[in-house]
Parts: sequence; C-alpha cells; structure tokens
Amino acid sequence: DAKTTQPPSMDCAEGRAANLPCNHSTISGNEYVYWYRQIHSQGPQYIIHGLKNNETNEMASLIITEDRKSSTLILPHATLRDTAVYYCIVLSGFQKLVFGTGTRLLVSP
Amino acid sequence: NAGVTQTPKFQVLKTGQSMTLQCAQDMNHNSMYWYRQDPGMGLRLIYYSASEGTTDKGEVPNGYNVSRLNKREFSLRLESAAPSQTSVYFCASSEANYRQGPTDTQYFGPGTRLTVL
Repeated sequence: DAKTTQPPSMDCAEGRAANLPCNHSTISGNEYVYWYRQIHSQGPQYIIHGLKNNETNEMASLIITEDRKSSTLILPHATLRDTAVYYCIVLSGFQKLVFGTGTRLLVSP
Repeated sequence: NAGVTQTPKFQVLKTGQSMTLQCAQDMNHNSMYWYRQDPGMGLRLIYYSASEGTTDKGEVPNGYNVSRLNKREFSLRLESAAPSQTSVYFCASSEANYRQGPTDTQYFGPGTRLTVL
C-alpha cells in the first residue's frame, strides 16, 4: 500500500521554479518526509528531508503543510540538469526506503 | 572518497549461470542495501544489512543471496540466473543503525546493468 501520491509527470521552463507536490495523508507523527531524485541511468540521489518544519539546503526547499498531509519540493531555479524522476518517501526509525514511481520532471529550454 | 562503488558495470549471463555483484563503500557506514530497478519502475529492495554480520530480506529476495563480508563490502549473488532477473542493480549505504532512530540518508552506487538471456 502506497504511502505517498505524486503526479506522474511535470514540465518546467529552465530558470523557473519547479514545484513538485506529494500527498501523504496517512503520515504518522514520527515519520519523516524524504525526497530523492534519479537522473537517467544513475543511482538515486538524496535531496532533502524534514519532519514538520520547512527545510532548505543548497539543492532545494521542502515545504510541509501544517497538518503534514502533504508537502512540496521546490527547485528555485530549475536547470536542464534537474530533469529527473523525483521520489517522495515517508518513513521513520529503521524503515526501508520504498520507492514508488515518482514524478518525472522535464526541464525545457 | 569514492563513496559507493559497484562491479561490474555491465554483465550478460545465460539462464542458469551464477554470478556475484560486488559493492563497497568507504564512508564507514553501518547499513548497506541492494535494490533492483526494472524498466519504467521504481526501486525495489532485495536485501539489506543493518550492521556488519546481519542481513535481512527486503521486498523481493527470491533468487538472491547476500553476504556482508565486512563493514565495507556487501555482495549479491545470483545462484541460477533467470531472464526475470534482468534489471539494473543498485547498492546503497547509510549511517543508519537500527537502534538509533530516524533512518539516515542513503548513498547509492552507479548501478550494475544485468541481462539474462
């Protein structure tokens, strides 16, 4: 049973912000929201994670709603190199990462 | 640091042949994982090792065996390869120790592309 729901694909113009949504309505209080991405033919790459506060690092920002039932990954200035499949995952403790099918983001010139 | 390395990068086997995929990490991580990814699908966990000397089954363990040789190395063996095992195999590692709380970031290797004819 899937813990997260993501749109299968999204498009974004180069230089614009890419906002990738994720629904996780059954998330429990001790579960974190993680984002990974996979550029074609490469291994997945960690992006960011959070519990309930918004987070920002050099790659992206993570906005988690107050009820924690959804979140948005923001790539502030998307480049062609950001074209990838983005995975939203929720887990806690020593849980195993479960990758769904993610959102395929296409950044175009 | 090389991070997570995998060998070989590519492999073609005939049905029934055996082989071992090698994985090593130089980050002194406690936990290591093996995933497979079929075309157009997400990753599925085959086996994992929470610490040196322990291994546990993941979502799709049938047809595979693993060995955590030491803290650095975690190998995946196919005893009798089948066409259904044609896939890209990724190894990953993380600091996570199951006694210590939230799962930590996983770092992935470049993958091994395996074709079974």
